[in-house]
Amino acid sequence: RKEVEQDPGPFNVPEGATVAFNCTYSNSASQSFFWYRQDCRKEPKLLMSVYSSGNEDGRFTAQLNRASQYISLLIRDSKLSDSATYLCVVTIYGGSQGNLIFGKGTKLSVKP
Amino acid sequence: DAGVTQSPTHLIKTRGQQVTLRCSPISGHKSVSWYQQVLGQGPQFIFQYYEKEERGRGNFPDRFSARQFPNYSSELNVNALLLGDSALYLCASNIWGEDDEQFFGPGTRLTVL
Repeated sequence: RKEVEQDPGPFNVPEGATVAFNCTYSNSASQSFFWYRQDCRKEPKLLMSVYSSGNEDGRFTAQLNRASQYISLLIRDSKLSDSATYLCVVTIYGGSQGNLIFGKGTKLSVKP
Repeated sequence: DAGVTQSPTHLIKTRGQQVTLRCSPISGHKSVSWYQQVLGQGPQFIFQYYEKEERGRGNFPDRFSARQFPNYSSELNVNALLLGDSALYLCASNIWGEDDEQFFGPGTRLTVL
């Protein structure tokens, strides 16, 4: 079983749609959780950290269920500029101590 | 402020050759990590260095090695290149601390023929 699993997509949605990405992780010792965004042929960039209580940043909402070892990302009112690959990331240490474990990514394409 | 820089941006090598990739962290960042991203996959951790010491190593063969210099820049070396080493090699830097974000450079795209 892979350490971090994501639906690879692609998700093709119209502008204004709400889209949800799911991710599961296998190591129950995982401590820190993130969503990164990667544009085509670019480097990954941190979108948001994910906290047990859930957290929101504008149109983006992240949820964590430690019991189910499940992470989600909800994007509301999708924009063309949201088109990218979304990477689910976990680590058994804090975010700085190397060994970020990435999923394969879920590709999102937002159409006019 | 400049972000993480990597050189070269692109590189073409043949099987069996050796390659050296370079990374300069964000000013003030003392930790550098290396990741390999094969097409269609997420990045995979190779090494982390902090204060010139190796702090972590991923599941890569001994053909992969790295080092960090006193100015906190880093080099990744890969010997005896295989076709499967073709990938985007990403460098990330951070200050060091439990919740500190890692910032990625643009990567070096290595093609092995």
